[in-house]
Amino acid sequence: EIVLTQSPGTLSLSPGERATLSCRASQSVSDSYLAWYQQKPGQAPRLLIYGASSRANGIPDRFSGSGSGTDFTLTISRLEPEDFAVFYCQQYGSSPLTFGGGTKVEIK
Amino acid sequence: EVQLVESGGGVVRPGGSLRLSCTASGFTFDNYGMSWVRQVPGKGLEWVSGVNWTGGSTGYAGSVKGRFTISRDYAKNSLYLHMNNLRAEDTAFYYCARHSLIVAGSWFDSWGQGTLVTVSS
Repeated sequence: EIVLTQSPGTLSLSPGERATLSCRASQSVSDSYLAWYQQKPGQAPRLLIYGASSRANGIPDRFSGSGSGTDFTLTISRLEPEDFAVFYCQQYGSSPLTFGGGTKVEIK
Repeated sequence: EVQLVESGGGVVRPGGSLRLSCTASGFTFDNYGMSWVRQVPGKGLEWVSGVNWTGGSTGYAGSVKGRFTISRDYAKNSLYLHMNNLRAEDTAFYYCARHSLIVAGSWFDSWGQGTLVTVSS
């Protein structure tokens, strides 16, 4: 089973600042089969990124993903008030599908 | 518009059983793999089980294998999760999620709002 470790656990930033979230895998994620989701309180997760770097439909271009192998990054170039939430990475390159523990981006 | 609506959650005693349902609309149900993902309140996400577009291939997390069964009914555009021998650690919100492809080994592009299962005596 591929274990995904996200860091930091919490990121305290102000609107307008850049957010850099990390997702590290215990073994290589084949073909960069990695996705990122955003979850706000009381809501279901929402797909942001798939294939490590492809934005899902309707996702603003301030969200970008990068990485390969075991190291992946989600970057939010300039935080908007609606971006504060918990973010999860997920690998789908091997079974079982696994998620990281999440990074909370909170308002400083 | 893609819609996934879960139902069937509730309070059940340890060792009990429950069946969750997910009714899909707004897309051709036959063409997508589907999964159940759960989340303990305030905690992270855990994939539970998935099924491919034909229903012929299923997968389970180790924590539920042998106790949970996933199935789908194409006539009713529905996905099910039959849960037996429930344990306190199964307490969570259970989300129905659509895979982006026919297989259950891809990312999730749509999610339901979840149904809460509480296992308690």
